[in-house]
Amino acid sequence: DVKVTQSSRYLVKRTGEKVFLECVQDMDHENMFWYRQDPGLGLRLIYFSYDVKMKEKGDIPEGYSVSREKKERFSLILESASTNQTSMYLCASILAGVANEQFFGPGTRLTVL
Amino acid sequence: AQKVTQAQTEISVVEKEDVTLDCVYETRDTTYYLFWYKQPPSGELVFLIRRNSFDEQNEISGRYSWNFQKSTSSFNFTITASQVVDSAVYFCALSEEGRGSNYKLTFGKGTLLTVNP
Repeated sequence: DVKVTQSSRYLVKRTGEKVFLECVQDMDHENMFWYRQDPGLGLRLIYFSYDVKMKEKGDIPEGYSVSREKKERFSLILESASTNQTSMYLCASILAGVANEQFFGPGTRLTVL
Repeated sequence: AQKVTQAQTEISVVEKEDVTLDCVYETRDTTYYLFWYKQPPSGELVFLIRRNSFDEQNEISGRYSWNFQKSTSSFNFTITASQVVDSAVYFCALSEEGRGSNYKLTFGKGTLLTVNP
């Protein structure tokens, strides 16, 4: 059974803290994605990665960075968390070269106080 | 630029009613793929269907059916005889081919469907 897991379901952080959100997939997928989901705005792409150590900006990369040191793991980093980064964060992965479904993790609901 | 529009923000129906969720897309690609995902209250997105741009046949899966019309750039989703368990946010998405045939998705804003008993 294919799996995308995220390190936390719920996270509460304070303004200014550095925050790490971890995503791991066990499907040997080359491509991984980070989205944030906000009411009325749908899913918006933050960053994605086509391969290890490769990253590309999505639609809303400001305030975020990512790290992909191993194929199975894709980390989203909030260098200095702010209240407007309170959101649901979703990780997804897909095999390279095919337009199949993306597999999603369960999401991390981050609250920044 | 790719765009997906789900004009219905929220829909509320009574159980056993039929309901159609609209999806309109924009793309300059000649080859593309359309998707529907369901997000129940638990939060995890569940894949429902993928359709490529060359296949305009309608598809039926149990109580679910999809109507793809290239002429109107629409990919609508109908639930027949809705049930309370169908309550969820539904997203329509469009694939975009990037470098090296790697694909990413553009999502609509979603439609919240509430099915009342």
